[in-house]
Amino acid sequence: GENVEQHPSTLSVQEGDSAVIKCTYSDSASNYFPWYKQELGKGPQLIIDIRSNVGEKKDQRIAVTLNKTAKHFSLHITETQPEDSAVYFCAAEINNDMRFGAGTRLTVKP
Amino acid sequence: DAGVTQSPTHLIKTRGQQVTLRCSPKSGHDTVSWYQQALGQGPQFIFQYYEEEERQRGNFPDRFSGHQFPNYSSELNVNALLLGDSALYLCASSPGPHYEQYFGPGTRLTVT
Repeated sequence: GENVEQHPSTLSVQEGDSAVIKCTYSDSASNYFPWYKQELGKGPQLIIDIRSNVGEKKDQRIAVTLNKTAKHFSLHITETQPEDSAVYFCAAEINNDMRFGAGTRLTVKP
Repeated sequence: DAGVTQSPTHLIKTRGQQVTLRCSPKSGHDTVSWYQQALGQGPQFIFQYYEEEERQRGNFPDRFSGHQFPNYSSELNVNALLLGDSALYLCASSPGPHYEQYFGPGTRLTVT
């Protein structure tokens, strides 16, 4: 069954605004949470990941936060650009396999 | 440095046939995982190969099988194809079973 829930399914923002995508997971033993960006016709691209021993990680305009108590993690993109438009997937390693959310289609309007 | 490569890019098969998909991992990676991605959905884990053995398997029937070679490349085999097997099949490699995974471009399989 679905072990990772992702919201929203679609997100439209104006260029320069911030975008936030949220995910929840069910297995408290999960300890690795990557985020992927998938453009049309391509495989998912790893953009950032976080392990359970930290609460936040940043890489330029992208940041991920993790709340292990609440079992949720979020992707934050600041100063969005049109090239950020894509489908974003969160994932969690559960029982030694990687479970993905259903994806968020992000559209950044110029 | 070549990333993960997959072949073929696309293929069309008939229901009941068998198919083999191939994956070459990123240089320095020894672990390969396979995923099925239906249209509009997230990837679903099929299985993972490490040291030429299947070490973890998702909720897929035995019609799905695989192999890893000594050079770490891998094959995914699907027997008795069903219409529902139509999907994008993704291969991901990593420098170990619990490390970050890097995906290839995928193979688009259409079953008619």
